[in-house]
Amino acid sequence: DAKTTQPPSMDCAEGRAANLPCNHSTISGNEYVYWYRQIHSQGPQYIIHGLKNNETNEMASLIITEDRKSSTLILPHATLRDTAVYYCIVRLSGSARQLTFGSGTQLTVLP
Amino acid sequence: NAGVTQTPKFRVLKTGQSMTLLCAQDMNHEYMYWYRQDPGMGLRLIHYSVGEGTTAKGEVPDGYNVSRLKKQNFLLGLESAAPSQTSVYFCASSYPILGGDRRGMNTEAFFGQGTRLTVV
Repeated sequence: DAKTTQPPSMDCAEGRAANLPCNHSTISGNEYVYWYRQIHSQGPQYIIHGLKNNETNEMASLIITEDRKSSTLILPHATLRDTAVYYCIVRLSGSARQLTFGSGTQLTVLP
Repeated sequence: NAGVTQTPKFRVLKTGQSMTLLCAQDMNHEYMYWYRQDPGMGLRLIHYSVGEGTTAKGEVPDGYNVSRLKKQNFLLGLESAAPSQTSVYFCASSYPILGGDRRGMNTEAFFGQGTRLTVV
């Protein structure tokens, strides 16, 4: 699975959009981009995933660049409860292999 | 629908003792995983299973054994606990999607709430 690079930490004001970047320059054509978050040592929680098109669900939006070498997770209106470590993961389609977690980005939403 | 349930939630072991962590899922998922997470670090895969009766090694399998006798359960065993195995253990499950344009793609993984294990 391709490696990912994320900033170690970010701050965001409550109510504003949080934009979390992820670089995955070695991604291959059939690898998906997944985002998870982990709140205060709880079990990681799935947020969203995509292949090449932008995706949106009730939690967030995922913007993938045209060359697929980077992506951005957008939390449109961050709340204090969104404070967590966010993990960007690139995973091979059709594989039973594990999700490989890096260090992630610690997002702190400030009041 | 409880999702993924881990038992126990907390445990303190003495060096050399053995124990088994239980993971149970009620979503009929094929794939199950055991991870460990040390302070300030990401999750590392210990073992995983792609179906009943199958297991495979992950990134850090030494000192652990697993069994998947029933589809819904995935057991993680420590035969002789060591202080280096002090960690938070997470179980996860997922299933492959077959058919259509998402053929073969694994859906999102669901995680349990973790087991905090301390070995003294």
